[in-house]
Amino acid sequence: DADVTQTPRNRITKTGKRIMLECSQTKGHDRMYWYRQDPGLGLRLIYYSFDVKDINKGEISDGYSVSRQAQAKFSLSLESAIPNQTALYFCATSDPRESKNIQYFGAGTRLSVL
Amino acid sequence: AQSVTQLDSHVSVSEGTPVLLRCNYSSSYSPSLFWYVQHPNKGLQLLLKYTSAATLVKGINGFEAEFKKSETSFHLTKPSAHMSDAAEYFCVVSGNTGGFKTIFGAGTRLFVKA
Repeated sequence: DADVTQTPRNRITKTGKRIMLECSQTKGHDRMYWYRQDPGLGLRLIYYSFDVKDINKGEISDGYSVSRQAQAKFSLSLESAIPNQTALYFCATSDPRESKNIQYFGAGTRLSVL
Repeated sequence: AQSVTQLDSHVSVSEGTPVLLRCNYSSSYSPSLFWYVQHPNKGLQLLLKYTSAATLVKGINGFEAEFKKSETSFHLTKPSAHMSDAAEYFCVVSGNTGGFKTIFGAGTRLFVKA
């Protein structure tokens, strides 16, 4: 089983719909992250959480919200999806006790907003 | 401020020939540097990391990278390309000062010809 699991793997939705992407991890890491990947832009950070009570905006948080339900779970919501949110979304985790903040990634969720 | 630039968006090599993927970084303090690989429909996997213990870093699958402070570079190399190396590669710089800020390069797609 994967250490970082994202569901769903693929999703097609319509403009204006609310959608939630879920991430769960079995690594026991406190830190979790949500990124989006667009061609030619690499990965950009949407939100991150250093523990259950800590939520922080990344560089492109507008139009997104998150919920850290437990140490192992970190969900990303699009309250009213728009077409330019079509992208590949990645969840990642890290352990601050591990050197150099190595991040471990899920397999990604491909989201299309029509 | 930190930044990372991958100098080539695409690199094409023949199987059995050397691979060079170029990365330059900018950091106002001693950076942590990583290379990640993303195979089609997969999440990102850590290839190698610069830990400051040695400037030449060996990673998985025969890849290595050399940290050159004077050139602010961290190029990824492999002596002999294999078909299975075809993927997208990301150079990443991460903060070292108690923050976590991680910046991804735009990615280099490696094509390997038979």
